[in-house]
Amino acid sequence: QVQVVESGGGVVQPGRSLRLSCAAFGFTFSSYAMHWVRKAPGKGLEWVAFISYDGSNNYYADSVKGRFSISRDNSKNTLYLQMNSLRAEDTAVYFCARDPGWKVLRYHFDYWGQGTLVSVSS
Amino acid sequence: QSALTQPASVSGSPGQSITISCTGTSSDVGSYNLVSWYQHHPGKAPKLMINEGSKRPSGVSNRFSGSTSGSTASLTISGLQAEDEADYYCCSYAGSSTYVFGTGTKVTVL
Repeated sequence: QVQVVESGGGVVQPGRSLRLSCAAFGFTFSSYAMHWVRKAPGKGLEWVAFISYDGSNNYYADSVKGRFSISRDNSKNTLYLQMNSLRAEDTAVYFCARDPGWKVLRYHFDYWGQGTLVSVSS
Repeated sequence: QSALTQPASVSGSPGQSITISCTGTSSDVGSYNLVSWYQHHPGKAPKLMINEGSKRPSGVSNRFSGSTSGSTASLTISGLQAEDEADYYCCSYAGSSTYVFGTGTKVTVL
């Protein structure tokens, strides 16, 4: 059964760092591109970052470019999001999601986790 | 990367049909037939309902259908049921491996 499970959220002060993880189960993780998507309180979903199946390519939303870094460890079936220089506006539930294409892109997200909450506050 | 425009709320009675619009630009919805739709019950994982504009994944009710015309995509829910009450988001590929979501629509079953 395909499943992705996020972890690592918590309360952090502005300007500090946090690393999120997303563990993948039930599929060949190394063959699928992955994304991070977030939802701030009272706001809609926002795409955050993409990483190719082999980790060779990554892209970011303008709102996080230069501060966030997406990576993956295919030997551990785990996706990461390193978040630096956090701001109050980064407060959100962060979801990881899979692109369903096997070593190709299908340009949508078929499996999502339930998310992990990041709260940036002094 | 401006969010796609959706109505904030849409409502209907059980059994009725409703349509949610999703308006983008020539840089996203208008350039790629790659709009997807997601149902989100708060506190749960979002669920894919439509991909590539009009394709329904296995397991999604045929009461859900999607279409695109120019820079506007639409999701129609027919035979509205209480379980359809949720937030709905469109999403479009926007080029250079980036994506843009819609502002979200709260569907209420009266």
